[in-house]
Amino acid sequence: KQEVTQIPAALSVPEGENLVLNCSFTDSAIYNLQWFRQDPGKGLTSLLLIQSSQREQTSGRLNASLDKSSGRSTLYIAASQPGDSATYLCAVSGGGADGLTFGKGTHLIIQP
Amino acid sequence: DAGVIQSPRHEVTEMGQEVTLRCKPISGHNSLFWYRQTMMRGLELLIYFNNNVPIDDSGMPEDRFSAKMPNASFSTLKIQPSEPRDSAVYFCASSVGTPHLEFFGPGTRLTVL
Repeated sequence: KQEVTQIPAALSVPEGENLVLNCSFTDSAIYNLQWFRQDPGKGLTSLLLIQSSQREQTSGRLNASLDKSSGRSTLYIAASQPGDSATYLCAVSGGGADGLTFGKGTHLIIQP
Repeated sequence: DAGVIQSPRHEVTEMGQEVTLRCKPISGHNSLFWYRQTMMRGLELLIYFNNNVPIDDSGMPEDRFSAKMPNASFSTLKIQPSEPRDSAVYFCASSVGTPHLEFFGPGTRLTVL
């Protein structure tokens, strides 16, 4: 059974810092990996999707990498802003439309 | 596009009552997913449909839970009878084609007293 772990569980940094969120998964036979953002009391917003054949994806200040063989992904946030404060969730799919297995998330606080 | 629509947004009910959650996927999407989010267990996949057919319901916790998708634009998740431990946020998501990017609805916050 696929298990997804996110480290750290919580992170608080001053504004302007670059930071890295980590995600690991136990079964490397994944179809894709997604990073989501969740604000308190809200739904999930997809940030980046990396297909199994890809190594990284970029969107603005966000960069996600994937090392499938080692079962790891990182989300890099450059020049963090208070508006980046949220919970970041990593999720993997084992098949095309098989649904997602989620990590517990990293609760991120950016201090003004 | 209006995105994935879920109703109600909040539901408070008493133990033993029947609860029905509703979802309208994004038009044209052919896969639909139901998830449950709790503080203890995080987000868990309950069931998913492909072309209105249930593919995997292994995540449904008990027989008290059932889900249907009578057509491509509507799905329900029913809990009967409800219990306090069912209190959670229930999300619906839909996707289409490759790479099956999932779009999530706003969720239904269920409280069972």
